[in-house]
Amino acid sequence: KNEVEQSPQNLTAQEGEFITINCSYSVGISALHWLQQHPGGGIVSLFMLSSGKKKHGRLIATINIQEKHSSLHITASHPRDSAVYICAVRTSGTYKYIFGTGTRLKVLA
Amino acid sequence: DGGITQSPKYLFRKEGQNVTLSCEQNLNHDAMYWYRQDPGQGLRLIYYSQIVNDFQKGDIAEGYSVSREKKESFPLTVTSAQKNPTAFYLCASSFNGGNQPQHFGDGTRLSIL
Repeated sequence: KNEVEQSPQNLTAQEGEFITINCSYSVGISALHWLQQHPGGGIVSLFMLSSGKKKHGRLIATINIQEKHSSLHITASHPRDSAVYICAVRTSGTYKYIFGTGTRLKVLA
Repeated sequence: DGGITQSPKYLFRKEGQNVTLSCEQNLNHDAMYWYRQDPGQGLRLIYYSQIVNDFQKGDIAEGYSVSREKKESFPLTVTSAQKNPTAFYLCASSFNGGNQPQHFGDGTRLSIL
């Protein structure tokens, strides 16, 4: 079993839909990072959080430390949101990250 | 603009050949990292460096080598000992200390001819 699990692996949505991507982890962490990878391969940092909730534009990230679970929400989805979304956890006491395998999102116009 | 520059974007290697992937950052970050990405797998850490002239092996260092002679630069050499080098390679950097986010480059795709 992977230490960081994401669901779903693939997701297709219609423009305007509310989207949720989930991340569960089994190790002790100091922070969790949500990343976005576009078809060209470059990765952009969306959020880094260690508790509670963060919001940026149409993106919302939450984390529940007790349940070892985080969610990334996209409100009013748009085709430009189509990308792979990756959850990564920074393990406690180290500089190392463990990465999920990603959720491939496609938003149709 | 500050950022991380990886070059080249695409790289082809012949069997038995060493190749070097470039990673340069102008973010004044202390730490730099190399990851490998394969289809269906999460990124895996090859090497990382928290300070100039020092670096540590990651989870899959065999067949790779690095140097950190300057703060801005962290080149990765894929040696002929790496039996399955075809992959997407990503470089990242961050400040040390606390929960500092990693910033990523655009990656280099390496293929074997």
